[in-house]
Amino acid sequence: DAKTTQPNSMESNEEEPVHLPCNHSTISGTDYIHWYRQLPSQGPEYVIHGLTSNVNNRMASLAIAEDRKSSTLILHRATLRDAAVYYCITFNNDMRFGAGTRLTVKP
Amino acid sequence: NAGVTQTPKFRILKIGQSMTLQCAQDMNHNYMYWYRQDPGMGLKLIYYSVGAGITDKGEVPNGYNVSRSTTEDFPLRLELAAPSQTSVYFCASSYFREYEQYFGPGTRLTVT
Repeated sequence: DAKTTQPNSMESNEEEPVHLPCNHSTISGTDYIHWYRQLPSQGPEYVIHGLTSNVNNRMASLAIAEDRKSSTLILHRATLRDAAVYYCITFNNDMRFGAGTRLTVKP
Repeated sequence: NAGVTQTPKFRILKIGQSMTLQCAQDMNHNYMYWYRQDPGMGLKLIYYSVGAGITDKGEVPNGYNVSRSTTEDFPLRLELAAPSQTSVYFCASSYFREYEQYFGPGTRLTVT
């Protein structure tokens, strides 16, 4: 599975959009891109996934670069409840979690 | 639906003891997984199962065993517990391999 690179931490203000980047330059053509988040003292929670096209759901949007070597998770209006560690995973045979990006949301 | 449930929530073991971590799901998912998460780190896959009677090793299987006799249950067995197995253990399930995984609340295990 392709290795992913994410910033260790990011900050956002409440009610502002947040763009969480992920690099996956060695991704193969059949690897899905998954995003999960983990709130404090909880198990990971699925956020969104995609293969080639941009994807939207009620939680977030996923923008995938045309060459698929990077992607961006977009939270349209951050809330305090969005403070979590966000994991970007390229998935083929199994999920390999990195250290993720710790998102802090300031009121 | 209860989703994915795990028991116990917390456990302290002495070195050399054994225990079984329980995991159950009521979503009729084919795939089930066991992960461990060490402090400040991401999750690592221990074992997974593609259906009843079929299991396979993940990234860090040493020191653990699993079985899958039913679709619903996927227990994780620790034999001869070691301090290196101190971690938080998460069970997850999914309908297909590439679909989203649903995680349980975790079991916090300390081996002293």
